[in-house]
Amino acid sequence: EAGVAQSPRYKIIEKRQSVAFWCNPISGHATLYWYQQILGQGPKLLIQFQNNGVVDDSQLPKDRFSAERLKGVDSTLKIQPAKLEDSAVYLCASSQSGTSGATQYFGPGTRLLVL
Amino acid sequence: KQEVTQIPAALSVPEGENLVLNCSFTDSAIYNLQWFRQDPGKGLTSLLLIQSSQREQTSGRLNASLDKSSGRSTLYIAASQPGDSATYLCAVTHNSGYSTLTFGKGTMLLVSP
Repeated sequence: EAGVAQSPRYKIIEKRQSVAFWCNPISGHATLYWYQQILGQGPKLLIQFQNNGVVDDSQLPKDRFSAERLKGVDSTLKIQPAKLEDSAVYLCASSQSGTSGATQYFGPGTRLLVL
Repeated sequence: KQEVTQIPAALSVPEGENLVLNCSFTDSAIYNLQWFRQDPGKGLTSLLLIQSSQREQTSGRLNASLDKSSGRSTLYIAASQPGDSATYLCAVTHNSGYSTLTFGKGTMLLVSP
């Protein structure tokens, strides 16, 4: 079974530029998550999708971050414009459902450096 | 708001030692608790999952315990090996019905030969 795929693996941009990350979840998984992991911290949930609807985006900085999951499969996370403090690893995860007992499977992450 | 704390932040031990990693959480209304492993440049791998009704789970040399009432969990690693070197993260799921994970900052473990 293929795992969660993410691209690109690494990205370096200058502040105020835009960047987009892509995630392909495990086939058949209804729930998709984007986490931000700053160096030395644990992952923090940015947004959770159930199929193509948003379940939780309470910690998403909506003035600069946006995410979509068209057709309930792939997802993109965009930052526009980027700030220095956005430097982090962005992890995508998926699960079969969004209920408490669902196991989340994580992708390798995209490492973003904002200069 | 749930807060998860992990102690110590870093740990260095010689190969063969038994060790304990600690995790505490502020809200005992959890559905389950998981221990993850994170290797540099890679995603997270789930090691053990303990349901709120359980006291412990074991997998090979790993044993995780849960005391929900006191808001604590420990991960015990027996006979540590250099391949165990990684960051270990503790995460809890609230019993609200949603699968959202709240993570601690992790413990960075180095096992030297």
